[in-house]
Amino acid sequence: EVQLVESGGGLVQPGGSLRLSCAASGFTFNDYWMTWVRQAPGKGLEWVANIKQDGSDKYYVDSVKGRFTISRDNVKNSLYLQMNSLRAEDTAMYYCARDKAAAGRVCDYWGQGTQVTVSS
Amino acid sequence: EIVLTQSPATLSLSPGERATLSCRASQNVRNYLAWYQQKPGQAPRLLIFDTSHRAPGIPARFSGSGSGTDFTLTISSLEPEDFAVYYCQQRSNWPPVTFGPGTKVDIK
Repeated sequence: EVQLVESGGGLVQPGGSLRLSCAASGFTFNDYWMTWVRQAPGKGLEWVANIKQDGSDKYYVDSVKGRFTISRDNVKNSLYLQMNSLRAEDTAMYYCARDKAAAGRVCDYWGQGTQVTVSS
Repeated sequence: EIVLTQSPATLSLSPGERATLSCRASQNVRNYLAWYQQKPGQAPRLLIFDTSHRAPGIPARFSGSGSGTDFTLTISSLEPEDFAVYYCQQRSNWPPVTFGPGTKVDIK
C-alpha cells in the first residue's frame, strides 16, 4: 500500500524557516517524480514544487523561487521542502504527492498534509 | 501561466441527479487535464487524468470529456459520498502546474 506521511509543520514567525519531510512507503520511491502542493485555509490547491527521480531537475512556482528548496533522499525514501524567509501568505496545509507514472505532473497518491502557520 | 476557470462555483443537487462540472483553460492544454475530488479534512483524490481516463478504483459514474480549452466532469448519478469539492488541473504547459478554483457540489 502506498503511504505518504508528512511532518515538520508548525507555527513560525515571518522571516523564519521550516523543513517539511515526507516519508514514502509501499512503492519504489526512486522510480517517481514527487511533488509538494499547498492549500491555504479555505482556498484551492496550489502546486509548489516538484523533483525528478534522481533529484537532477527541480521546478518551483514563482512565488516560492529563491525561498523554498525541494530535495529528496532515495536511500531514506524521503522528500523534503526547506522553506526559508516565510511569509504570512505561505500559511497553508502542505501535501506531499506522488506523480503518476506515464502521466507526470498528475498526482495519484497524496499524504494527509502538514499544517504550516506563519504568524507573529 | 495557464489559468483554469471552473463553473459553476457551487452546484446544488440531490442524490441520484446528474452533475455536470465545467473547466475552461486560458490556452490549449491538449488532453492534459485531470480532475480531483476533495472532501472536508481530507487530501485530494485523483479521479480522472488526461481528460477521460479514470484512475484505479474510481467508479464508472465519473466520466470526463473535452479537448483543447473546454472540459467536463460528469457524475452520472450522485451518491451521498460524491458531495465534495472538485478541482481540475492542467499539466500541458508547466511549470507551473495549475489548478482551477474548484466547484463545490453540495446537497440541495
